[in-house]
Amino acid sequence: LAKTTQPISMDSYEGQEVNITCSHNNIATNDYITWYQQFPSQGPRFIIQGYKTKVTNEVASLFIPADRKSSTLSLPRVSLSDTAVYYCLVGMLGTGRRALTFGSGTRLQVQP
Amino acid sequence: DTAVSQTPKYLVTQMGNDKSIKCEQNLGHDTMYWYKQDSKKFLKIMFSYNNKELIINETVPNRFSPKSPDKAHLNLHINSLELGDSAVYFCASSQDQRGSSYNEQFFGPGTRLTVL
Repeated sequence: LAKTTQPISMDSYEGQEVNITCSHNNIATNDYITWYQQFPSQGPRFIIQGYKTKVTNEVASLFIPADRKSSTLSLPRVSLSDTAVYYCLVGMLGTGRRALTFGSGTRLQVQP
Repeated sequence: DTAVSQTPKYLVTQMGNDKSIKCEQNLGHDTMYWYKQDSKKFLKIMFSYNNKELIINETVPNRFSPKSPDKAHLNLHINSLELGDSAVYFCASSQDQRGSSYNEQFFGPGTRLTVL
């Protein structure tokens, strides 16, 4: 299984851009990179998914370098409501449990 | 409308009891999952069903038995509850993912199980 490594926690202030990096050195050719967000007392929520280069949606951007051994989730202009745990997953659901392994996640605390 | 719902939200019970948690999704998805999130917040896959067929069964004690009466429901029955079973259990669903690159799962609100 592709193991992921993320910082345990990060702090930021409202209005700043936050970048959370995930390392996945043994990513396989068919693997995709998926990020989820989890608020306290709620289930995880899908944020974004990508394979290479850059993906952007209304919530975040995902940057993936050419070697795909890491990825960076970028949250523009965070607000207090972005305080949550962010999980990076690597794999592909269609191949079994590879994309079902949540790591320890990164706890983002946004302050006023 | 709730996409993935679970009942009950909270469950407090004694060691040795048998309990069930129910999950329903109204998204028309073919695949459903059960996850366990422990006190350290690690989220671990337990089971996965596709069209009522068990496709993933992680190393989970056989006291845990999933049951899928139809593809919209995946219930979790736990026999002889132990202290270590205390956790939050999440149900999730996704479109049929076989061969697909799309990895979005929709999670329920969770069931907090406390075993005394």
